[in-house]
Amino acid sequence: GQNIDQPTEMTATEGAIVQINCTYQTSGFNGLFWYQQHAGEAPTFLSYNVLDGLEEKGRFSSFLSRSKGYSYLLLKELQMKDSASYLCAVRDRGSTLGRLYFGRGTQLTVWP
Amino acid sequence: DTGVSQNPRHKITKRGQNVTFRCDPISEHNRLYWYRQTLGQGPEFLTYFQNEAQLEKSRLLSDRFSAERPKGSFSTLEIQRTEQGDSAMYLCASSLVGQEVYEQYFGPGTRLTVT
Repeated sequence: GQNIDQPTEMTATEGAIVQINCTYQTSGFNGLFWYQQHAGEAPTFLSYNVLDGLEEKGRFSSFLSRSKGYSYLLLKELQMKDSASYLCAVRDRGSTLGRLYFGRGTQLTVWP
Repeated sequence: DTGVSQNPRHKITKRGQNVTFRCDPISEHNRLYWYRQTLGQGPEFLTYFQNEAQLEKSRLLSDRFSAERPKGSFSTLEIQRTEQGDSAMYLCASSLVGQEVYEQYFGPGTRLTVT
């Protein structure tokens, strides 16, 4: 099975920078995804890492270290609309090469 | 709107009744997934299809659950003899295998409440 761990809650103020960490254990790694989920809505894709390093996409960046089983999502210039749950998900090299294993999500609250 | 639609959006049923949900994926996507999400948790994988073939089922998917994807387009998820523990958000996602990333696009979900 998979073990994915991320903080349950985080808070930050508008305009600040926040880093959401995710650690994972997997039998065969084949990519890590970050999704954003607003309350009552579907998860939406934010980023994907399969090689070590930083992937930047606008205000959002995601980092991966496969040797450490560690990733983080960095959100810059926080806005109120960034208040949401952020889900870390791992895809493994199992027979499916498709199913995602999700963490519990980190509920981010952005204050004015 | 990701292009994945699910119906109904909400379903309230009494324990013991059968329910069926429908998912329409993005039209060119060949993979379709079903997940279940409860409050405060991430989505849990239930099953997935590549075209019309059901390739994997989670151990979470008891005999009361069945999913189909006839003709490789829309999919249905049926729960027979519902139990209160089945109350959850049921999410459908689709992806296109062949792209490097093939991220999954999620639908808005069907919220099931079993009374």
